[in-house]
Amino acid sequence: KAGVTQTPRYLIKTRGQQVTLSCSPISGHRSVSWYQQTPGQGLQFLFEYFSETQRNKGNFPGRFSGRQFSNSRSEMNVSTLELGDSALYLCASSRGQQDTEAFFGQGTRLTVV
Amino acid sequence: DQQVKQNSPSLSVQEGRISILNCDYTNSMFDYFLWYKKYPAEGPTFLISISSIKDKNEDGRFTVFLNKSAKHLSLHIVPSQPGDSAVYFCAASPDAGGTSYGKLTFGQGTILTVHP
Repeated sequence: KAGVTQTPRYLIKTRGQQVTLSCSPISGHRSVSWYQQTPGQGLQFLFEYFSETQRNKGNFPGRFSGRQFSNSRSEMNVSTLELGDSALYLCASSRGQQDTEAFFGQGTRLTVV
Repeated sequence: DQQVKQNSPSLSVQEGRISILNCDYTNSMFDYFLWYKKYPAEGPTFLISISSIKDKNEDGRFTVFLNKSAKHLSLHIVPSQPGDSAVYFCAASPDAGGTSYGKLTFGQGTILTVHP
């Protein structure tokens, strides 16, 4: 059974640019959540999609957005990149029901210069 | 306001001994708890979870204990092995209906080092 796949693994972007990250969940999982990990803030929840609908959202500015497709694959977009957006972006896949485990991908390391 | 806290930034134990990692939470709505192991520049790996209707869950060398009245959980690793050296995160999920599923609140992590 394939795990959670995130692409690309590494990205370098310039301030002001935008970026799109991709996440393919485990087969049969309908929920995809996104997290940002930085040394200072730890792992912080960005948003969660379930059956193509954003079901939950963290405290991030509107520059961070996402979507989910009918096959449950999800994309996350960050517009007008800032230096502080440099982080490891992780997506997690789950059944999206009560008391179910979330499984993480390897992450995308974004560096903004 | 940090709702999930891991107060020990690091823990060092000898191979073969028990490792005990602790986690405290403040939000009484949390009802499902998970532990993850993480290596640098990789995604967290799920270890074990526990629902608030239980006070203990075991999986091989890993046991998680939950004390709801104290809002405290702990992860016991017995026996500890050098390969267990990593950062351990506890995470919590609230029971606030369907919109809460899929959102995990993480602690800051504890670096576990197991010496041969």
